[in-house]
Amino acid sequence: SAVISQKPSRDICQRGTSLTIQCQVDSQVTMMFWYRQQPGQSLTLIATANQGSEATYESGFVIDKFPISRPNLTFSTLTVSNMSPEDSSIYLCSVEGQRNYGYTFGSGTRLTVV
Amino acid sequence: QKEVEQDPGPLSVPEGAIVSLNCTYSNSAFQYFMWYRQYSRKGPELLMYTYSSGNKEDGRFTAQVDKSSKYISLFIRDSQPSDSATYLCAMSAKTGANNLFFGTGTRLTVIP
Repeated sequence: SAVISQKPSRDICQRGTSLTIQCQVDSQVTMMFWYRQQPGQSLTLIATANQGSEATYESGFVIDKFPISRPNLTFSTLTVSNMSPEDSSIYLCSVEGQRNYGYTFGSGTRLTVV
Repeated sequence: QKEVEQDPGPLSVPEGAIVSLNCTYSNSAFQYFMWYRQYSRKGPELLMYTYSSGNKEDGRFTAQVDKSSKYISLFIRDSQPSDSATYLCAMSAKTGANNLFFGTGTRLTVIP
C-alpha cells in the first residue's frame, strides 16, 4: 500500500493565524482525502482533492476556511485559516488502498490553537 | 441517531485474553465494513475488510458482520500488549470516501 508522509506532525498556533499541512504520497494517486479527528468524535471527511480541479468539500466545510492545493499526483496541502481554538484537532491525509480496499492514512498533524 | 455507534471504552484486558470490539449501525444499506487500528500519535491503519455478511479471519483477528442485527464485531485472540491501540470501525453502502462512516473508536489496553 502507499506510504504517506505528513508534516508537520504537530504544531501550536495562535488564534487568527493559518497553518498549512503537507501530504506527500510515494506513488501517484488520483484522489487524496483530508480528514479531521476531534477528541471523542468520529473521523470526519473535510474534502477530496483531485489533481487539476477544485477540491470537493463536504457539508460544513468551506474553501475559505480550508483551502486545498493539489499541484500533482503525489502531493497535496491543506491550510487551516484564521484559526480558533475550535480548530484544535488532528488532521489526516488519506488515499485509497489497493483495489479500493479501505484507505491508507498519514500519521496526522496534531494542531493546538491557543 | 448516529450512523455508527461504538463504545469508546476504555477497555483493559490482561495479556492472552480474548477481546471483543463492537459497532452497531442504523443504515441497512451498508455493505462494506472495515476495522482500523490506530496507535497513539499515528494514523489509522486498515486491519480488516469485509464485504456483506459473514466472518473473516486473519491470524489472531476475526471480523464478524451480522447485517440482520446491524452489528459488527472484531475479535482478538491471545491479545498482546502490542494490540494496545484505538480500534475504529467504518462502513459504507458504496465505495468512495464521502460515503464512509466511522465509529468514534474503542481504546484498548492489554496489560502484560
